[in-house]
Amino acid sequence: NAGVTQTPKFQVLKTGQSMTLQCAQDMNHNSMYWYRQDPGMGLRLIYYSASEGTTDKGEVPNGYNVSRLNKREFSLRLESAAPSQTSVYFCASTEGPRGYEQYFGPGTRLTVT
Amino acid sequence: TQLLEQSPQFLSIQEGENLTVYCNSSSVFSSLQWYRQEPGEGPVLLVTVVTGGEVKKLKRLTFQFGDARKDSSLHITAAQPGDTGLYLCAGVLENNNDMRFGAGTRLTVKP
Repeated sequence: NAGVTQTPKFQVLKTGQSMTLQCAQDMNHNSMYWYRQDPGMGLRLIYYSASEGTTDKGEVPNGYNVSRLNKREFSLRLESAAPSQTSVYFCASTEGPRGYEQYFGPGTRLTVT
Repeated sequence: TQLLEQSPQFLSIQEGENLTVYCNSSSVFSSLQWYRQEPGEGPVLLVTVVTGGEVKKLKRLTFQFGDARKDSSLHITAAQPGDTGLYLCAGVLENNNDMRFGAGTRLTVKP
């Protein structure tokens, strides 16, 4: 089992460009999450999906959109990247609701210039 | 300000020393987790505590959940270089089931 995989691992964008971060899990988990991690701020939830077909906003959703394509895949889209979106992005999945063990992917380091 | 405050922010110690890191809040949590994160990787769960006053041990690591379920501590005995990493606490808020992470304690254990 690969667990949670994310692509790409690194990305550099210019302000205003768009891109989609891909995430997939092979553990048959119902819930999936997108976080961003910034120095001194910890992990902050952007969006989550409690089950296939549902998505909900987290703590910092502005500037992002998500798609739960199927049970395995949960993508994060930046429509018009801004320097404030420079961060490390992590996807995670859990078997159950919040409080269950979260399995994280290796992260995507995004720089917006 | 962070809902979960972790202290210290950075800690550098010699191999063999003991240490304690803290995770504090004014909010009540229904459960609290500790994760360790190594450079270039995602966090990995160490433990989940759910009962006020609960103590869990994982080899040389001892985790305690405060009686009022507002705080937690992680104690490491005889630290080793392999313990180096970023230690994150994360709690599920009792009032709305939101989950929040602390900013972490970055631990370096020198040989």
